[in-house]
Amino acid sequence: QSALTQPASVSGSRGQSITISCTGTSRDIGGYNYVSWYQQHPGKAPKLIIYDVSNRPSGVSSRFSGSKSGNTASLTISGLRAEDETDYYCSSYSSTSTHWMFGGGTKLTVL
Amino acid sequence: EVQLVESGGGLVQPGGSLRLSCAASGLTFSSYWMSWVRQAPGKGLEWVANIKQDGSEKYYVDSVRGRFTISRDNAKNSVYLQMNSLRAEDTAVYYCARDNAYTRDYWGQGTLVTVSS
Repeated sequence: QSALTQPASVSGSRGQSITISCTGTSRDIGGYNYVSWYQQHPGKAPKLIIYDVSNRPSGVSSRFSGSKSGNTASLTISGLRAEDETDYYCSSYSSTSTHWMFGGGTKLTVL
Repeated sequence: EVQLVESGGGLVQPGGSLRLSCAASGLTFSSYWMSWVRQAPGKGLEWVANIKQDGSEKYYVDSVRGRFTISRDNAKNSVYLQMNSLRAEDTAVYYCARDNAYTRDYWGQGTLVTVSS
């Protein structure tokens, strides 16, 4: 089963906003509102930053927001900061035999 | 504070076995599904398996089904991953994570499994 599709890299300047896309199918992203986003710094465990498409866990900055349209979910980071420079992964429930899908990850560079 | 601590990783030859453990604290362990997720060196995340609160339901990614077995001991607040017939492509950092509704909200720091001769 193929992973969800994310761009390998995105970049943006400090203070600006960027959006990372995550494309799936009607059997995962398009069929359920169970999209999560994770931030992972090198050598560290993933950290949940968005769940159920657009909800933020307690303690996560409001600069992070999520949305979904059809089979594509998006993570937007506003007011980019140097500490945002790292890897981001999307995840979704899937009705296939692979119950939980992840995207291939996107490396964010803050210029 | 929720803490998940994995152990049991190491170097194993192809075809060998390994048992990973994850000790949980700071949560009502028996109330949650638990997952194992892995990450090959330099690669992305891959969900491996999860298990229901009472152990009555277990699900696996196709690539490990029949070789890996997830289990739990609620009395010990622990979840396990028995890995048999290991292959080079199973080399990865293995994370345990708490399933909360339809997400994985807490993750351990991971344990490295290397399959090599």
